[in-house]
Amino acid sequence: DAKTTQPNSMESNEEEPVHLPCNHSTISGTDYIHWYRQLPSQGPEYVIHGLTSNVNNRMASLAIAEDRKSSTLILHRATLRDAAVYYCILRPRSIQGAQKLVFGQGTRLTINP
Amino acid sequence: DSGVTQTPKHLITATGQRVTLRCSPRSGDLSVYWYQQSLDQGLQFLIQYYNGEERAKGNILERFSAQQFPDLHSELNLSSLELGDSALYFCASSVAGVGSPLHFGNGTRLTVT
Repeated sequence: DAKTTQPNSMESNEEEPVHLPCNHSTISGTDYIHWYRQLPSQGPEYVIHGLTSNVNNRMASLAIAEDRKSSTLILHRATLRDAAVYYCILRPRSIQGAQKLVFGQGTRLTINP
Repeated sequence: DSGVTQTPKHLITATGQRVTLRCSPRSGDLSVYWYQQSLDQGLQFLIQYYNGEERAKGNILERFSAQQFPDLHSELNLSSLELGDSALYFCASSVAGVGSPLHFGNGTRLTVT
């Protein structure tokens, strides 16, 4: 499984944008970039995923570098509810096959009021 | 609410015992995944089933087994329990299809005394 590297922790202020970086220099051409987050005492929650192009949804934006060796999850206006551990995961493209997610240590995001 | 239901929420048992954890996937999801989360190991992938068949195996001990039934619900059986098996056990489900996200339940907290 290709590896991702994330900072152990980050801190930001409420109502400010947050940029969470992820390095994945060994990404293969068929790996999707997935982001999940885990709030305290809950299961992981899907945030966003992409392959090559930048992606936006109601929760966040995903900016993918042109060489795909890094990506950034962008929370446009952080709230206290966004405090969580954020996981960047490479997921092999597989039709009806093994689609497991391999979680790393993630980035613990703290939001200050 | 992810739509994935796990029961029971909490389980306390003694060493050497056997327990069964149950997972009901989201309606229409054919894949079920089991993960273990302990304080020192993070989220570890255990096993995946797709439409009743085992598709991928991770760090699952021989004392542990799982199955997915015709109605697509899944059970994780843990036997000869040890203190180190105390953890949160998460179930997730997904539809078939490339890159489809996983939806996690809120877990079963197992305490072995």
